[in-house]
Amino acid sequence: GENVEQHPSTLSVQEGDSAVIKCTYSDSASNYFPWYKQELGKRPQLIIDIRSNVGEKKDQRIAVTLNKTAKHFSLHITETQPEDSAVYFCAASIWTASKLTFGTGTRLQVTL
Amino acid sequence: NAGVTQTPKFQVLKTGQSMTLQCAQDMNHEYMSWYRQDPGMGLRLIHYSVGAGITDQGEVPNGYNVSRSTTEDFPLRLLSAAPSQTSVYFCASSVAGLTGETQYFGPGTRLLVL
Repeated sequence: GENVEQHPSTLSVQEGDSAVIKCTYSDSASNYFPWYKQELGKRPQLIIDIRSNVGEKKDQRIAVTLNKTAKHFSLHITETQPEDSAVYFCAASIWTASKLTFGTGTRLQVTL
Repeated sequence: NAGVTQTPKFQVLKTGQSMTLQCAQDMNHEYMSWYRQDPGMGLRLIHYSVGAGITDQGEVPNGYNVSRSTTEDFPLRLLSAAPSQTSVYFCASSVAGLTGETQYFGPGTRLLVL
């Protein structure tokens, strides 16, 4: 089955700096790659996703890049703010927004 | 719309007890899934369903049963609870395929098995 690895497990940045979280996947058939943000005690919420027919997608301060050949994808957050502090999960699946295989998460802390 | 709802929010069980975690959605989504979340492990898929009457196993199905008699409901049953099932359980739903919509998660059920 699919295996998703996520790095780093923790990331501390100063407010205004950029943050990058990287994930690799094992199944070359995977074609849907969402990123979720989870605040303490809350449910995961989708922040951005990308499908294998594009290499990059951007939404304001958040961007995701995908390298199908290397089987890795990354989340980029620019101009970080304290409210960006949370745990971020990458995931992968084949032709569905369900049946996701998740990475183990990255705890992002944005300090003032 | 209420979205995805789960009950109960919290539950304490003794080893060997059984219980059902309830999940319902009012978005007419075909797909529904159950995940468990453990510290350092991310979310792992337990069971999923692609429609009423159709269920399949995920990554960690042992010790759990599901059924899908209606589009709206997808209960998760623990037949004989074990301490290893202490976790936070999330139910999720989505439309079939990749039509532009995402997977919506419920608020979660925190389960402690003593």
